[in-house]
Amino acid sequence: GENVEQHPSTLSVQEGDSAVIKCTYSDSASNYFPWYKQELGKRPQLIIDIRSNVGEKKDQRIAVTLNKTAKHFSLHITETQPEDSAVYFCAAMGGSQGNLIFGKGTKLSVKP
Amino acid sequence: ETGVTQTPRHLVMGMTNKKSLKCEQHLGHNAMYWYKQSAKKPLELMFVYSLEERVENNSVPSRFSPECPNSSHLFLHLHTLQPEDSALYLCASSQEFLASYEQYFGPGTRLTVT
Repeated sequence: GENVEQHPSTLSVQEGDSAVIKCTYSDSASNYFPWYKQELGKRPQLIIDIRSNVGEKKDQRIAVTLNKTAKHFSLHITETQPEDSAVYFCAAMGGSQGNLIFGKGTKLSVKP
Repeated sequence: ETGVTQTPRHLVMGMTNKKSLKCEQHLGHNAMYWYKQSAKKPLELMFVYSLEERVENNSVPSRFSPECPNSSHLFLHLHTLQPEDSALYLCASSQEFLASYEQYFGPGTRLTVT
């Protein structure tokens, strides 16, 4: 089945810097890769997703890139703000499984 | 923030108790999910229902028993739990199963087993 590895587990940046979180997946048939943000004490919420027919997607300060050959995808946050502090989860779906398989999460701290 | 609701928000139960968690979605979705979120295994899928039929059971112990009486409601019945079952239990829904649709999460039930 699918296995998703996520790095780093914790990330601390200064406000205004960029943050990058990387994930790898094992099932080459996976075709949908969402990212969820979970603020402290709140529910996970989708912030951006990408499908396997595109290599990059942007939404204001966040972007996701996908390398199907290498089976990895990354979340990029530019001009980080304190409100970006949260746990971010990557996930992969498709192929042999219909479920979302989540990474273990990255706790991002943005210091003012 | 009212698309998926869960009750109760907090629950403390002894190992011999029986309790139920409730989830309700107001989004007209056909798929519903139970996840367990703990420090050791964040967002661990437990069960999936599609059109009220269970389609996934990820090797979950029988002390957890799901029920989906209709496409809007999902329950998780708990009995003779262990302390290691203490965690945040999240319900989610999506438009369809086996499709790349966003999953909408509820606020979760924080369960403590004493």
